[in-house]
Amino acid sequence: EIVMTQSPATLSVSPGERATLSCRASQSVSSNLAWYQQKPGQAPRLLIYGASTRATGIPARFSGSGSGTEFTLTISSLQSEDFAVYYCQQYNNWPRGTFGQGTKLEIK
Amino acid sequence: QGQLVQSGAEVKKPGASVKVSCKASGYTFTRNGISWVRQAPGQGLEWMGWISTYNGNTNYAQKLQGRVTMTTDTFTTTAYMELRSLRSDDTAVYYCAGGANWSPFDYWGQGTLVTVSS
Repeated sequence: EIVMTQSPATLSVSPGERATLSCRASQSVSSNLAWYQQKPGQAPRLLIYGASTRATGIPARFSGSGSGTEFTLTISSLQSEDFAVYYCQQYNNWPRGTFGQGTKLEIK
Repeated sequence: QGQLVQSGAEVKKPGASVKVSCKASGYTFTRNGISWVRQAPGQGLEWMGWISTYNGNTNYAQKLQGRVTMTTDTFTTTAYMELRSLRSDDTAVYYCAGGANWSPFDYWGQGTLVTVSS
């Protein structure tokens, strides 16, 4: 089974600043990596797929990069609505789609 | 864009079974499979398994093999997830999610809280 590891567990950033979240796979997942945002009481929302392609309606301040085993989600200028928990998911082993444990992005 | 609507919250005793439904609309039901994901209180997302809505093939997480069954009804465009021999650590919000083959989940149900308590 492919294990996804996210870091840090919690990230404290001020509004307007940049946030960088990391995700590492235990083996190569090529570019089959997605990022989701989850707010309290809501289902996750797809942000990025194919490691770097924004999903429909996702603002340009969200960007993804990486391939193989190392991936990054960058939020260029944090807005109040961006404070949430972010999960990465590999789907290279589709239909088995394992998630990272999440990074909580909180207001500094 | 697909839409998924799930059944309501459930409270079950240890050892019982629960069956959660997921009604799909807004797309051709047999084109995309349905996955199930659960989230224990305060915890992360756990992929449980997938079912093809085209031919009923399934793929389950190893830790749930033998306790979980996923089915679909193409006439009502509804997917089901049954979990048996419930334990307290099965308490979680259960989500159905969908997307194209070899793709992540771009639509999700609203979640169903299953509480296992004596």
